[in-house]
Amino acid sequence: DAGVIQSPRHEVTEMGQEVTLRCKPISGHNSLFWYRQTMMRGLELLIYFNNNVPIDDSGMPEDRFSAKMPNASFSTLKIQPSEPRDSAVYFCASLEPRSGLAGSTDTQYFGPGTRLTVL
Amino acid sequence: AQSVAQPEDQVNVAEGNPLTVKCTYSVSGNPYLFWYVQYPNRGLQFLLKYITGDNLVKGSYGFEAEFNKSQTSFHLKKPSALVSDSALYFCAVRDWEAGNNRKLIWGLGTSLAVNP
Repeated sequence: DAGVIQSPRHEVTEMGQEVTLRCKPISGHNSLFWYRQTMMRGLELLIYFNNNVPIDDSGMPEDRFSAKMPNASFSTLKIQPSEPRDSAVYFCASLEPRSGLAGSTDTQYFGPGTRLTVL
Repeated sequence: AQSVAQPEDQVNVAEGNPLTVKCTYSVSGNPYLFWYVQYPNRGLQFLLKYITGDNLVKGSYGFEAEFNKSQTSFHLKKPSALVSDSALYFCAVRDWEAGNNRKLIWGLGTSLAVNP
């Protein structure tokens, strides 16, 4: 398996522009997480999907951020308009369906991340 | 409130010496505990986890972790450190207050530097 795939790996944009980050989870995984990592705040969960449905978006910082998961193999995180404080590394992680011993399938698998710089 | 603490921002160890990266936790349910490693400019990689059973868990790259219920700790260890182990290490615990939500609570990370 190719693992979780994210694109682009690097994005440099100017303040006010729209940014779209993409994620392809591991095939067969039914949960997907978007995280943001910064030096100041560490790793923050932005939103969590289960079976393509957003379950918890309490971490989405504001209305400028939106996420979609139109099918089991694709998700996007959009920032519109972008601001310099959005500069961070954005990770996508996926999780296989719950099965077997409780907790046994709670291991999240991360993509390589997208490094976003907003000038 | 549930939480994960990694009390050391940075750990320095000489190559060949044993290393320990500390983690303590507080959860309202069963402590399902995880360690991840992040190499520079890479995503987080799963190292090992404790769900139940033997308190000593063995994982990837020669790492192991010991679950201690009385001390609510899950310290990561390796008998002999390598320079290539230099990375950022994250401890995480299953978030039970999220209900059926399969979220993890993450520590802030510990930067491990192994000196040649």
